[in-house]
Amino acid sequence: DQQVKQNSPSLSVQEGRISILNCDYTNSMFDYFLWYKKYPAEGPTFLISISSIKDKNEDGRFTVFLNKSAKHLSLHIVPSQPGDSAVYFCAASFFGNEKLTFGTGTRLTIIP
Amino acid sequence: DAGITQSPRHKVTETGTPVTLRCHQTENHRYMYWYRQDPGHGLRLIHYSYGVKDTDKGEVSDGYSVSRSKTEDFLLTLESATSSQTSVYFCAISVGTSGTETQYFGPGTRLLVL
Repeated sequence: DQQVKQNSPSLSVQEGRISILNCDYTNSMFDYFLWYKKYPAEGPTFLISISSIKDKNEDGRFTVFLNKSAKHLSLHIVPSQPGDSAVYFCAASFFGNEKLTFGTGTRLTIIP
Repeated sequence: DAGITQSPRHKVTETGTPVTLRCHQTENHRYMYWYRQDPGHGLRLIHYSYGVKDTDKGEVSDGYSVSRSKTEDFLLTLESATSSQTSVYFCAISVGTSGTETQYFGPGTRLLVL
């Protein structure tokens, strides 16, 4: 049972445009969400997070939106740059769990 | 940089042989994790540790064991490697308060079982 789903395995976006990566979850206990970025031959790196008490969190070019009623979160990257080409994972957790549940990832390719 | 190193970084082994992967951290974090990453599956938790000698299973623990005799080291052992255990293995540590932790990952170990 995949509790965190990233239904788009890949996404291509023109440089300078907005990239939108989506993530859905099924477990209503999840109340903390994270996005990770992964380059080939490297470990995942933390990008941005959001708590369920918020519906938006922004950090520079990266914004995460959370829609609790739809159990959906999205990561917006504006403007997209070639260095953003990577695999992006969303992850979810809840208080007392001490573990993260990851989605399967979306490969983002930025076209120059 | 969360001060996490993994060794070896690459390993080729044969089916049926034991393999041990090491994760080392320098910052005394309580929680440590082992994941495997496979195409189409994302990151899946194998085992985790919440202190010295305190470990628990993740979602894909069959065929793996772990040990943590010191805070800084978390070992993952494949008792008898199989081809299905060919994967990239990542170690992670957790930082933050319960419910808002962030995990930071090591560089990974690429394991090929022939």
